[in-house]
Parts: sequence; C-alpha cells; structure tokens
Amino acid sequence: GESVGLHLPTLSVQEGDNSIINCAYSNSASDYFIWYKQESGKGPQFIIDIRSNMDKRQGQRVTVLLNKTVKHLSLQIAATQPGDSAVYFCAERFTGNQFYFGTGTSLTVIP
Amino acid sequence: GAVVSQHPSWVICKSGTSVKIECRSLDFQATTMFWYRQFPKQSLMLMATSNEGSKATYEQGVEKDKFLINHASLTLSTLTVTSAHPEDSSFYICSARAGGRISTDTQYFGPGTRLTVL
Repeated sequence: GESVGLHLPTLSVQEGDNSIINCAYSNSASDYFIWYKQESGKGPQFIIDIRSNMDKRQGQRVTVLLNKTVKHLSLQIAATQPGDSAVYFCAERFTGNQFYFGTGTSLTVIP
Repeated sequence: GAVVSQHPSWVICKSGTSVKIECRSLDFQATTMFWYRQFPKQSLMLMATSNEGSKATYEQGVEKDKFLINHASLTLSTLTVTSAHPEDSSFYICSARAGGRISTDTQYFGPGTRLTVL
C-alpha cells in the first residue's frame, strides 16, 4: 500500500473561521481524488471528490483544490463548525479501483 | 442511498480463535468491495480488493491465508481473521464501489469493526 501515516498532523481553528487541510499524494498517474471525514470510532464519510482534469471543485461549505504539478490536494472548509471536528483523509486512485489514503489530519474546532 | 453496513461493530475474542466480519451494501449492488485496516491515529491501509464471484486480490504483505475474503454475492463480502492474535487487534473497515445509477467511482465505507484479541 501507499502513504502509511505514523502520526496524525493536527489543526486547530476557531469556530467560524475557514480551515485549510493539505494533502500530498504519491502518484502522478492518479486520476481521481476524494476527501473523507472520519469521526472517532466510525468509518470514513465521503465529503467531496475531484477528477484529475479539474483543478477546483466546490460543494456546500467545502472546496477542493488540485495542483497536479506538485501533487498537492487541499480541502477548504468555510465557516468551520464544531461538528467539523474529525480526522480528514485524502484518497487517490491510481490502480484500477483501488484507493490509497493519505496520512490524515486531525481538525479540532474551538468554540 | 449508498449505505454500507458491517457486522459486528465490535468483537472481543481469545487468541487462536477465528473471527468473521461481514460487509453489506444495503441499497446498491457492489461488484467490488475493499477491506482496510486502521491502527489508532493512523491512516487506512488497503488489505485486499474483493470482486464478486472471484478470488480477492491482496496487497503486498497481507497474508491471504490469514485474512480470508469471500465475496459470494453482489451485496455481501466477508473477512475472516483466522487464528487471531493480539497483533491482529485493529479497526477493520470495508468499502464498496457502487454500480449502476450511482457513480461507479466513489467508494462508500462501512462503519468499521473493532477487533480486540486477548
């Protein structure tokens, strides 16, 4: 597998502020990317996806940016809320239907 | 739509016993299911890819005789941890790739199964 994390980076933001979570992916041939949110003790939850032929995609309160030149993906959360506190993973697809996950970032929203 | 369930949600067993974990797609057919393993505060590690009606494809370093995968129908895949030992204790998560009218790209995840081996 790819991208095994040894520890999670952390990000703390004030409620109402915008959050930016970054991810470096490993394979330049990856054609599809997904951001997942995982709360403690639960499975990952789909947030937003983007294909490699795009550089930006917006959802409700979330925006994903893709920079293929430097193999970088970011997730922007607008007006962060306490319910956004979770671990966020990016996942890349480069071999058929298999996805490989990034290290993950633990987001804590301070009320 | 696109709901995936797992059973059991938590299992505690003695060392040496075998444990079966079920993964079901509740409202769609999943031709492909995936099994992941996750240690505390770490990322998900893909263990194997399971295609309905065929043998699973295991990632490098994953023992296929240790982690038996069966995908007998379009809505059910099972992972059996054989002769479990304490080092097998982990959070096991399945995902399913939807087909048909639902996007075939996205994987939808189950809630996970926590395995504790004493």
